Amino acid sequence: QQQVKQSPQSLIVQKGGISIINCAYENTAFDYFPWYQQFPGKGPALLIAIRPDVSEKKEGRFTISFNKSAKQFSLHIMDSQPGDSATYFCAALLDNYGQNFVFGPGTRLSVLP
Amino acid sequence: NAGVTQTPKFRVLKTGQSMTLLCAQDMNHEYMYWYRQDPGMGLRLIHYSVGEGTTAKGEVPDGYNVSRLKKQNFLLGLESAAPSQTSVYFCASSDRAGGSDTQYFGPGTRLTVL
Repeated sequence: QQQVKQSPQSLIVQKGGISIINCAYENTAFDYFPWYQQFPGKGPALLIAIRPDVSEKKEGRFTISFNKSAKQFSLHIMDSQPGDSATYFCAALLDNYGQNFVFGPGTRLSVLP
Repeated sequence: NAGVTQTPKFRVLKTGQSMTLLCAQDMNHEYMYWYRQDPGMGLRLIHYSVGEGTTAKGEVPDGYNVSRLKKQNFLLGLESAAPSQTSVYFCASSDRAGGSDTQYFGPGTRLTVL
């Protein structure tokens, strides 16, 4: 119940295309769903996050779509650029004392020029 | 404002050796975390701390110990390194006590155990 599943494992997109990464979870107690971006040799950095009381959040070219009933959420990158090439992790957090942050296995995105 | 820093950046150990990884943050965050990152497995929580003097086990704590003697520092120790501990280790901090769930990660330590 603590797992977050993520797909695809890797993704190749042409410049200007749309990149879509999907995540699914089981535990309905998760209440915070961030996406992290990681470049080679660097630590992950928060990209965008959503809480389950909204179905969509958009920040620039990045959008999270959230489907509470299906227990799924996805990251859409519009007008993908070569600079977006990185590994993306979805995560889910339980709002309890201490913390319970669960990460997906990651998606390696390559945007071709 | 350096954020989260980690030392060392790289380390090679022989099986059975010990070492300590240091994490420091200058954002006055209460919460700090140690993760390991292995190919295809994402980030897995080793130990975490919700304040100075407190520590708790995460998902994969075996073979590791931690200490949080000062609010800004979180140390991860390996008492007797094993090849299975070859990984990239990330420290993170968050202002969860202040209402933010964002975790800020350090640059990582790449550890190889021979």
